[in-house]
Amino acid sequence: GAVVSQHPSWVICKSGTSVKIECRSLDFQATTMFWYRQFPKQSLMLMATSNEGSKATYEQGVEKDKFLINHASLTLSTLTVTSAHPEDSSFYICSARPAGTSGRGELFFGEGSRLTVL
Amino acid sequence: AQRVTQPEKLLSVFKGAPVELKCNYSYSGSPELFWYVQYSRQRLQLLLRHISRESIKGFTADLNKGETSFHLKKPFAQEEDSAMYYCALKGRAGNMLTFGGGTRLMVKP
Repeated sequence: GAVVSQHPSWVICKSGTSVKIECRSLDFQATTMFWYRQFPKQSLMLMATSNEGSKATYEQGVEKDKFLINHASLTLSTLTVTSAHPEDSSFYICSARPAGTSGRGELFFGEGSRLTVL
Repeated sequence: AQRVTQPEKLLSVFKGAPVELKCNYSYSGSPELFWYVQYSRQRLQLLLRHISRESIKGFTADLNKGETSFHLKKPFAQEEDSAMYYCALKGRAGNMLTFGGGTRLMVKP
């Protein structure tokens, strides 16, 4: 099946640091990728929809200047947490749908990236 | 707005017992619903979707529009079914998935 890979799987940084998380579709192209945030023992909350070649669409309450998303190619989307603070510590998960499958295509999830801000 | 509710955070059953994980939704349009499963230390993966009307690993789920529910059922639970289960609804523009809070299923030997 299709594989989505995230890197790094875990990052620890000091407050004020900017951290970039990558989401790659390894064996398929994805025009749309999604970024979620998951707090401990809570569900996934959609942060933004990443569209290849255009600006990301952010959900209400998500600061676009705080969480920069770049979808520069059909296999890579990046989420940059700028000037991270302890409250940004969370589990960030991406998902992707193979290009050409439209809205009925299956979503494939990455393994998630844990961000710990000290 | 769309919303997915899973009323039980934890469901514990014995091996061989029937299991039902509840999911209720609210959505103004025609919904498309899914169940995702996350086994320990693994990524989230699709279990089944209502449009397929299939049984995966012995699990089934029927969309009940009258009760706005999409409960996940299995007649005989197995220990390997222990995992987190998330109900999800596809929302506006056909792209966004809204997840329920998740239910942790524990199947005891």
